[in-house]
Amino acid sequence: EIVMTQSPATLSVSPGERATLSCRASQSVNSNLAWYQQKPGQAPRLLIYGASTRATGIPARFSGSGSGTEFTLTISSLQSEDFAVYYCQQYNNWPRSFGQGTKLEIK
Amino acid sequence: EVQLVESGGGLVQPGRSLRLSCTASGFTLGDYAMSWVRQAPGKGLEWVGFIRSKPYGGTSEYAASVEGRFIISRDDSKSITYLQMNGLKAEDTAVYYCTRDPRYFDWLPDLWGQGTVVTVSS
Repeated sequence: EIVMTQSPATLSVSPGERATLSCRASQSVNSNLAWYQQKPGQAPRLLIYGASTRATGIPARFSGSGSGTEFTLTISSLQSEDFAVYYCQQYNNWPRSFGQGTKLEIK
Repeated sequence: EVQLVESGGGLVQPGRSLRLSCTASGFTLGDYAMSWVRQAPGKGLEWVGFIRSKPYGGTSEYAASVEGRFIISRDDSKSITYLQMNGLKAEDTAVYYCTRDPRYFDWLPDLWGQGTVVTVSS
């Protein structure tokens, strides 16, 4: 089973600034990496798939990069609605696996 | 309205069984793969399992933590996906979400239900 490790666990950033979230896989997942956003009391939402492709309706300030074992989610200019928990997930191998999440909080 | 609605959650004793249902509306269930994802209280997301659509074999994949205990099935004629949970353990306590997984998103969730709560306790 592939283990996904996200860092940091919590990230404090001011609105308008850039946030960079990291995700590492225990073995190569090629570009089969997705990012999700989850707000309190809500179901998650798919942001990025294929490591860098935005899902439908996702603003351009969200971007993903990386391949193999190292991935990054960048939010270029944080809006108030972006403060949430973010999860990466590999879907290269079964079983699929999520990282433990990064909480993005207001500084 | 395009939506997924889970049902069947509740309080169950360890070792017992429970079946969750996920009813789809506003789209043709048979055109999509489906998944179940769970979230223990205050914890992160855990992928549970996946079922392919019939044109792709209708077969399933499972997390190691539930393999041999949980079974995903589907009744496309009723627009329902099921999660049969047997031999429940305290660590299965979670909110269970069903998701629609279209091919055009690499078989990843583009639609989630609101979740149903399962509590395993004596």
